[in-house]
Amino acid sequence: DAGVTQSPTHLIKTRGQQVTLRCSPISGHKSVSWYQQVLGQGPQFIFQYYEKEERGRGNFPDRFSARQFPNYSSELNVNALLLGDSALYLCASSLDDYYGYTFGSGTRLTVV
Amino acid sequence: RKEVEQDPGPFNVPEGATVAFNCTYSNSASQSFFWYRQDCRKEPKLLMSVYSSGNEDGRFTAQLNRASQYISLLIRDSKLSDSATYLCVSRRGGFKTIFGAGTRLFVKA
Repeated sequence: DAGVTQSPTHLIKTRGQQVTLRCSPISGHKSVSWYQQVLGQGPQFIFQYYEKEERGRGNFPDRFSARQFPNYSSELNVNALLLGDSALYLCASSLDDYYGYTFGSGTRLTVV
Repeated sequence: RKEVEQDPGPFNVPEGATVAFNCTYSNSASQSFFWYRQDCRKEPKLLMSVYSSGNEDGRFTAQLNRASQYISLLIRDSKLSDSATYLCVSRRGGFKTIFGAGTRLFVKA
């Protein structure tokens, strides 16, 4: 079985640009969450989607947006990139609220 | 104050040692708890869920104390391969899953 897949694996962008990150959850998982992880810190919650609806968002500016498609895949968009957006962006899927998450291997974003 | 707090370590222990990590959470509405393991530059991987009655998975034992709002992880007979960062996680409202900053463990031969 395929795990959670994320693309691209690495990305270099310039300040002010926009980026779209993609995630495909494990088959049958309807919940997708996005996290940002900077070096030395734990993952920080950005968004969660369940059955294509946003269930919650963390303390991130409106430059961050996301959506979930009918096949449960998801995209995270970040506009007007700042140097501080450089991080590992992790996507996680789960069957429902009671199970732990399975993470993808992440997208490493560098903003220069 | 962070919602989930952990001692960052590092913990340096010899092979075969027993090591314990504690974690505190500040939101009493937290309902579910987990421990994840993260290797350097890799994604976090679920180690175990934490149940109110405590639970064990091989060399790993997790405990939850709701009254004091802390969670613990005990690793017995440490192996070199246990070297990693251990992330404590709480979940509330069904979806708001909060990670601690992690505790680094180094197991030495």
